[in-house]
Amino acid sequence: AQSVTQPDIHITVSEGASLELRCNYSYGATPYLFWYVQSPGQGLQLLLKYFSGDTLVQGIKGFEAEFKRSQSSFNLRKPSVHWSDAAEYFCAVGLIIQGAQKLVFGQGTRLTINP
Amino acid sequence: GAGVSQSPSNKVTEKGKDVELRCDPISGHTALYWYRQSLGQGLEFLIYFQGNSAPDKSGLPSDRFSAERTGGSVSTLTIQRTQQEDSAVYLCASSLTGNTIYFGEGSWLTVV
Repeated sequence: AQSVTQPDIHITVSEGASLELRCNYSYGATPYLFWYVQSPGQGLQLLLKYFSGDTLVQGIKGFEAEFKRSQSSFNLRKPSVHWSDAAEYFCAVGLIIQGAQKLVFGQGTRLTINP
Repeated sequence: GAGVSQSPSNKVTEKGKDVELRCDPISGHTALYWYRQSLGQGLEFLIYFQGNSAPDKSGLPSDRFSAERTGGSVSTLTIQRTQQEDSAVYLCASSLTGNTIYFGEGSWLTVV
């Protein structure tokens, strides 16, 4: 069955430090891959997506992610985090099943920023 | 509007009552989804509408849950005889077929 694993439930980094959030997926074909961010009390905002082509994708708010087929990974990175980046981050796989696109989400990684 | 709109944003209801949650998708989006986000369960797919096709209801947790989409636009998720385990954030999303899915801010349901 298709699945998405985010190994880190909670990560704490200092403001200005670099960040990497891990995501691994299990899927038979090349999936569509997404990262969403959820601030407290808010809905999900799309950070970036990978459909095909260049395996390094740029997103909003200075985030980027790299698709590595050999590792079935799609890790999210940011070179220098800001206090406003504190939120929950969800990796998702987009599957086309009988013409319908569904998202399968990881459990999320909660990011805390230390001043 | 510019984004997916959901109402109410917050709802507190008594156990056993019925609730209706509304979703207004992005104009022109043919696909509409409902997801549920609860503690310990993460984000769960509930139901999917695509144009005039029969909806994919494979994620609905019980027959107390139902959803309609009228005129290919607005959708209503109905939960009958609510239980405490129904307390969650119900997220609606929309997309053009096969494209990026955009989420609303959710309806926060608390069953007391």
